[in-house]
Amino acid sequence: EVQLLESGGGLVQPGGSLRLSCAASGFSFDNYAMSWVRQPPGKGLEWVSGLRSSGGSTYYADSVKGRFTISRDNSKNTLYLQMNGLRVEDTAIYFCAKDNVPGGGGNPYDSWGQGTLVTVSS
Amino acid sequence: DIVMTQSPDSLAVSLGERATINCKSSQSVLYTSSNKKNFLAWYQQKPGQPPKLLIYWASTRESGVPDRFSGSGSGTDFTLTISSLQAEDVAVYYCHQYYSIPPTFGQGTRLEIK
Repeated sequence: EVQLLESGGGLVQPGGSLRLSCAASGFSFDNYAMSWVRQPPGKGLEWVSGLRSSGGSTYYADSVKGRFTISRDNSKNTLYLQMNGLRVEDTAIYFCAKDNVPGGGGNPYDSWGQGTLVTVSS
Repeated sequence: DIVMTQSPDSLAVSLGERATINCKSSQSVLYTSSNKKNFLAWYQQKPGQPPKLLIYWASTRESGVPDRFSGSGSGTDFTLTISSLQAEDVAVYYCHQYYSIPPTFGQGTRLEIK
């Protein structure tokens, strides 16, 4: 059974940093592209960042480019999101999501974690 | 960026009746290769849960999804249909284009029981 477990969320002041982790199990992690998608409380879904299976190519939404860094450690089956320069508008539940087929990305997401809440407030 | 616009924003349907949700993309998400695939998916999200993939390639049902859910459309106009609404279908539904980066989602349609 595929499992994705996010951690690392919490309350942080504007300008602060957090590192999110997503521990994966139940599938060949190193064969799949992975993404982070966020959802502000009570609002819709926004793709944040994506990473190919090899980790060589990374992609970001304009709203986080230059502030967030996505990475993966295939030896630990873990996806990361380093978030610097956090803003109030980054407040959201952050989900990690797995592509539905192996490969380099450009696919829908067939498995999602339960999410971790990031709150940016003074 | 491709903008995805869903209609309506909310919908109330009686149990056993048909529910129809529309999604329009600001540009075509049809990849005109030999297999002509529409890079369009539908998700269902219930309160306190992550989204669940229902449909991909515009009309391919994900494994385990009841056959009362169906997707149709091509190019820029798509529809999710629930043929006979069940109580457990109350949720917010999102369309999602994965044709280009950044992937984008519709604003969501809230489906309730009338």
